Amino acid sequence: AQSVTQLGSHVSVSEGALVLLRCNYSSSVPPYLFWYVQYPNQGLQLLLKYTTGATLVKGINGFEAEFKKSETSFHLTKPSAHMSDAAEYFCAVSAYGNNRLAFGKGNQVVVIP
Amino acid sequence: DTEVTQTPKHLVMGMTNKKSLKCEQHMGHRAMYWYKQKAKKPPELMFVYSYEKLSINESVPSRFSPECPNSSLLNLHLHALQPEDSALYLCASSQGGGTVTDTQYFGPGTRLTVL
Repeated sequence: AQSVTQLGSHVSVSEGALVLLRCNYSSSVPPYLFWYVQYPNQGLQLLLKYTTGATLVKGINGFEAEFKKSETSFHLTKPSAHMSDAAEYFCAVSAYGNNRLAFGKGNQVVVIP
Repeated sequence: DTEVTQTPKHLVMGMTNKKSLKCEQHMGHRAMYWYKQKAKKPPELMFVYSYEKLSINESVPSRFSPECPNSSLLNLHLHALQPEDSALYLCASSQGGGTVTDTQYFGPGTRLTVL
């Protein structure tokens, strides 16, 4: 079974500052890792994903994440926060042959002007 | 195109009503999902259809009844719901098979309120 840990439910960041959201996973098989973003009253939008290959993954809206197997981590970063980045962010994990997604508890990102 | 559509956007129903939620995708995906999401929580998986057959039922109460009439369409029939069933109901689809390309794409959701 797979699981994800996201610490710190609320994350405040100043506009223009680095956004860093931490995700650690647990998986007995090679994981597939995802970050989704959810804006208020909307569905989940895929930001980026890691399945195989290059461990640094670039996504939409300037976000990127790095898969570190030794640290069982998949942290999400963006160099410069924008007001439009205010949203809920979910890290999720699945595995080959298993289409069940395990979500973390989510991070509510607040951008301070 | 990675669009999943859901109707209606909002639904208010009484505890004795019968209603249905609809989800549609035209990406050729063969797996479709229903999730329930409460405020400030991650989505909780309810049902998975794989190649139009129900493959996962997460012990969901029988007042929720899923249906997959064809590979593009997924319904969720609601009957005798309780106020605690009020939530955002999300539909998702993926290529199917749990392969490297099996990414789930979500619809915008239906906001359900049970009075």
